Amino acid sequence: AQSVTQLGSHVSVSEGALVLLRCNYSSSVPPYLFWYVQYPNQGLQLLLKYTTGATLVKGINGFEAEFKKSETSFHLTKPSAHMSDAAEYFCAVSDQGGYNKLIFGAGTRLAVHP
Amino acid sequence: DTGVSQDPRHKITKRGQNVTFRCDPISEHNRLYWYRQTLGQGPEFLTYFQNEAQLEKSRLLSDRFSAERPKGSFSTLEIQRTEQGDSAMYLCASSTGDSLRTQYFGPGTRLTVL
Repeated sequence: AQSVTQLGSHVSVSEGALVLLRCNYSSSVPPYLFWYVQYPNQGLQLLLKYTTGATLVKGINGFEAEFKKSETSFHLTKPSAHMSDAAEYFCAVSDQGGYNKLIFGAGTRLAVHP
Repeated sequence: DTGVSQDPRHKITKRGQNVTFRCDPISEHNRLYWYRQTLGQGPEFLTYFQNEAQLEKSRLLSDRFSAERPKGSFSTLEIQRTEQGDSAMYLCASSTGDSLRTQYFGPGTRLTVL
């Protein structure tokens, strides 16, 4: 069975500081991995995804993530936080049993302070 | 492309009442997913449609829940005899069947059961 663990339910950074949100996964097959962002009372927006190929994936709004198979990790980073980055972030793995449902972590709430 | 739309955005009901939610996926997306998100948690998979066929249901989907996608376009999720534990955000997502497997989410329907 596949699973996702997000370390740290709350992360707080200063504006302009590095953002690092941690995600570890468990999968018996090569995973498809995703990061989604959710703003209050809204649905989820895809930030980036890893399917195959290059392990460093660039997404929207300056975010990127690196797939590290040996560490079963897919951490999300952004060099310089902006106030507008404050939101909840979800890491997910795709169930490749045929129907590709997403299995999400519990989420990390990012706060950005001046 | 218009995105995934959901109606209503908010629903308040009394315990024991029936409620129905609607999801309109991105046109020509043949895959449709329902997820449920409770406060402070990541979304959890409920059910999956490929065209009009319901191919997978989570054990979370008790017999009080039913979902349909009659013409392979929009979908409805009905909850009968609502309970307070049904209070959650219900999210719909759609995707194509290609290898990209990106799911696009709607804004969700927030259900409050009093």
